[in-house]
This record gives sequence, C-alpha cells and structure tokens, in this order.
Amino acid sequence: KAGVTQTPRYLIKTRGQQVTLSCSPISGHRSVSWYQQTPGQGLQFLFEYFSETQRNKGNFPGRFSGRQFSNSRSEMNVSTLELGDSALYLCASSLAPMGTGNSGNTIYFGEGSWLTVV
Amino acid sequence: AQKITQTQPGMFVQEKEAVTLDCTYDTSDPSYGLFWYKQPSSGEMIFLIYQGSYDQQNATEGRYSLNFQKARKSANLVISASQLGDSAMYFCAMREVNFGNEKLTFGTGTRLTIIP
Repeated sequence: KAGVTQTPRYLIKTRGQQVTLSCSPISGHRSVSWYQQTPGQGLQFLFEYFSETQRNKGNFPGRFSGRQFSNSRSEMNVSTLELGDSALYLCASSLAPMGTGNSGNTIYFGEGSWLTVV
Repeated sequence: AQKITQTQPGMFVQEKEAVTLDCTYDTSDPSYGLFWYKQPSSGEMIFLIYQGSYDQQNATEGRYSLNFQKARKSANLVISASQLGDSAMYFCAMREVNFGNEKLTFGTGTRLTIIP
C-alpha cells in the first residue's frame, strides 16, 4: 500500500512569506504528526493530529500551525517565514494516536518537504 | 535534559560485518516505546524496528535486532551482515508522555558508513 506522501518535496520561499505543506497518511491511519529537522536542532516534534483534533504540540511559536481533514490528510502552515525556518519538514502517520496502542502502532514517515527560506 | 543519547556521531564498518549502534534513554514513565529509523540522504525516515517497554523479548526484523536492556535503559540496534546500502543516518527515538503531552523524541543520530 502507498506510504506517507508529502508535497511539495522542495520549495524556496522569501522571508516574510507563508507556506503550506501537505501530508497524506497511509490509508487507514488517523494520526498524523509533524517534525522539523535542522542540522543545529536535530529532529523536533511540532504537533500531532488525530481525527481532526490537535492532540499534542511541541515547543514552537504560533507561526506554526496545522490542521487535519476528515480524510486524515493534514496540512501545516508557517506564516511570516524566517531564515531559521529553513529545514526538512517530516510528516508521520500511525493507526492509533501516538503514545497509545501496542507494538503494532508503528509510526511511519514520509520523504519530507525541503523548505529553504531566502 | 537529554532524553535519548546516541554517543556515536559516526561509524565506519567493513561490508558484511555486524554493527551495533548505541542508544540510551531516560524516562520515568513505565510505559514507553523505542524506535529505530534509518535516514538516507534523500531525507525519508525509514522505520526499522520497535520495542515496547513491556515487551518480554528483544525485537527482531530481518537483519535488524534490538538489544533491549531495560535496567540499563539501553536499546542498541544490531545490524547483521552489513551491506553498502546500509550507509545512512540512524536515529533512535522514544515515544513518551511529558506532562500529558505525548511526543516522539529523537537522538542526535549516528552516521553509518559501510566500507566495501
């Protein structure tokens, strides 16, 4: 079955602009979480959505937001882009909400969206 | 405080040899999960193996096995018979609950290079 799909794969934005990234989870998965990966900070958790509700949130400013649709697809938005927002943004999906379930509730990642802010 | 520690920033291993990637973790939650992911240069995070804190046996998935030592809070990844395609970054991660907030916390990673 298809894996986690993220679009776009690469994009370049100007400081001050806003960007929207999209994530389609594995079919049947209802939990979608987002991560930011930078050389300096490593992988950091942004937020998690399950059944269209934000369940968990990392330590990021309010410029970072997200939503989930009824088909479990998710989008994340970053407003007023800063140079430091340049990163690989990874989306992950799982059957059950993160932190629950048994060993079968594995979290699968997409290929990521490479964002460059200039 | 660092929750996941990977002490090996880089490793070079001869092809066909076994390799062990170290991971130690810190949590007071009795219920947690440990993951290993492989990240090639393309950026995709590839799930390798999972170990639940209550699992009695060490997890295995093909050439990957997890050496889980709960008392030592250690979850090392063992790759048997390494291949050139195993060259990548490897991340250890823990699913934990912190003040009611659940998240996946990653280590800093180990860059594994397989030498022909």
